[in-house]
Amino acid sequence: NAGVTQTPKFRILKIGQSMTLQCAQDMNHNYMYWYRQDPGMGLKLIYYSVGAGITDKGEVPNGYNVSRSTTEDFPLRLELAAPSQTSVYFCASSYTWDSGLEPQHFGDGTRLSIL
Amino acid sequence: DQQVKQNSPSLSVQEGRISILNCDYTNSMFDYFLWYKKYPAEGPTFLISISSIKDKNEDGRFTVFLNKSAKHLSLHIVPSQPGDSAVYFCASLYNFNKFYFGSGTKLNVKP
Repeated sequence: NAGVTQTPKFRILKIGQSMTLQCAQDMNHNYMYWYRQDPGMGLKLIYYSVGAGITDKGEVPNGYNVSRSTTEDFPLRLELAAPSQTSVYFCASSYTWDSGLEPQHFGDGTRLSIL
Repeated sequence: DQQVKQNSPSLSVQEGRISILNCDYTNSMFDYFLWYKKYPAEGPTFLISISSIKDKNEDGRFTVFLNKSAKHLSLHIVPSQPGDSAVYFCASLYNFNKFYFGSGTKLNVKP
């Protein structure tokens, strides 16, 4: 019963490098989300997806890209890493329908430092 | 512009007493409100939710109250236990696809 799996758990990047944060869920959830959490702040939505092939921007999408080619996977791409992207990144998934939802399940996070 | 605010960064309570965590929001169009609990180095886990059409929801020791006119919700934990020590986030859901989170309240339950 894996739930939501995020890899890697930790990563240090140099300014200008690129990387992909991986997220996979095995619950057949239709919705998937990426959040970032800065120190002392709440989670801010970066991107979300309502199903395979469909993605949309959240509150703070600049500097990131996503894709959703399968129901299970929702990778987050940083193309040109900047110090402002130092944060903890959480992936989440949920099952949502027209008039209701099941609460989000979260992964354990990826701690990313950009130096 | 924060749409969901938790104005108390921390709260300390004695074991067995009531813990009350508060949350304010600005958007009257939010559909659902949720509370999550987070331990260090883990992702948030769902605790309890309430629909915008209700004013109270109970689950064991946890009760959430919603005051729509004041745009305020609160989480009551009775009785508080040391294992409840964690960071609590409130979240609001808009249009069934966008979640907005507060900045969290760190609860410390003293034995």
